[in-house]
Amino acid sequence: RKEVEQDPGPFNVPEGATVAFNCTYSNSASQSFFWYRQDCRKEPKLLMSVYSSGNEDGRFTAQLNRASQYISLLIRDSKLSDSATYLCVVDNQAGTALIFGKGTTLSVSS
Amino acid sequence: SAVISQKPSRDICQRGTSLTIQCQVDSQVTMMFWYRQQPGQSLTLIATANQGSEATYESGFVIDKFPISRPNLTFSTLTVSNMSPEDSSIYLCSVEAGTGTYEQYFGPGTRLTVT
Repeated sequence: RKEVEQDPGPFNVPEGATVAFNCTYSNSASQSFFWYRQDCRKEPKLLMSVYSSGNEDGRFTAQLNRASQYISLLIRDSKLSDSATYLCVVDNQAGTALIFGKGTTLSVSS
Repeated sequence: SAVISQKPSRDICQRGTSLTIQCQVDSQVTMMFWYRQQPGQSLTLIATANQGSEATYESGFVIDKFPISRPNLTFSTLTVSNMSPEDSSIYLCSVEAGTGTYEQYFGPGTRLTVT
């Protein structure tokens, strides 16, 4: 099983749609979880951390299910500018490094 | 957030040569990281560079191939040695957003093509 797995997509949605991305991780000892956004030919940028209680930042909601080792990202009211690759990121067993998923590509069209 | 710059932004190199990539941060940071992102792939950590100590390499990466320097708290270099086409990739440096946090800020990356 890969350390961090994501559906690569692409997800093609119209503006205003709600879209959800899922991610599973293999290391039950992981403590830190993030979603990063990477635009084409750009560096990754932190979108949000993911907390056990779930957290929301505007149109973005992240959820963590430790029992299932599952992380999700929900984007409401999609904008054209949301088009990007979304990377699920988890710390490694030693807590010394970040493990990146391959990313899920989102394309929002008008 | 930290402002990170990398030089060069891109390069095309011949096999067998070496390239040194520089990473400069606008503030002092304890830990700096070097990643590789191969075409169509996600980021893979090469090594962690702490000032004043040897870099810590991840499985599959060795110092002879990827020597790293960390002379002070704002600067690091990664050298890709004896390059082959398989080394064609984007190389990114990153820093921790804060002590004890795993959040990281990334530099813009160096796009390397080896012919």
